[in-house]
Amino acid sequence: AQSVTQLDSQVPVFEEAPVELRCNYSSSVSVYLFWYVQYPNQGLQLLLKYLSGSTLVKSINGFEAEFNKSQTSFHLRKPSVHISDTAEYFCAVSDSIYNTDKLIFGTGTRLQVFP
Amino acid sequence: EPEVTQTPSHQVTQMGQEVILRCVPISNHLYFYWYRQILGQKVEFLVSFYNNEISEKSEIFDDQFSVERPDGSNFTLKIRSTKLEDSAMYFCASSPIPSGYTFGSGTRLTVV
Repeated sequence: AQSVTQLDSQVPVFEEAPVELRCNYSSSVSVYLFWYVQYPNQGLQLLLKYLSGSTLVKSINGFEAEFNKSQTSFHLRKPSVHISDTAEYFCAVSDSIYNTDKLIFGTGTRLQVFP
Repeated sequence: EPEVTQTPSHQVTQMGQEVILRCVPISNHLYFYWYRQILGQKVEFLVSFYNNEISEKSEIFDDQFSVERPDGSNFTLKIRSTKLEDSAMYFCASSPIPSGYTFGSGTRLTVV
């Protein structure tokens, strides 16, 4: 069965520093990959997704993630974080060939940005 | 921007009681889902619903759970006899195509 690993439960970082949140998934022939962000007491918001095409995907607020098939990874990066990026980030995967669209989530990474 | 609306935002219920969580999906969406997140744990898939029937469900979604789209706009999750371990945040989602999710802001269910 598909699984998602987010190795870092918490990532503390200072404002304007770069950050990488790691995500690995178990191997599959074809997958869709997602990053969701959850601000305190709010729901899940889609940050970015990879369905096909270019392996580098970007969000409107400066985050980007690269699909690496050989390493089965989809790490999330931002070159310079803001205080407002403090949130929980969830990586999720969906198998695209088994006639299922359910999302399998990782355990989440709490990004804490300090001034 | 269209939203998925969930009500109530917080519900407290006594163990053994029935509870119905309500969701209004985005109007032209065809695929509907429920997920849950137990406090401090990861988000877990419960059920997907398409064309007025369940298309997939997880092991969590046992006989205590049911879903319904009673009037073509609402999408409900019913828990027949709540247990303490049902306490969680429940998220509804809808999608025009498979994997094109929009999540609601969730209902926090507390079973006491």
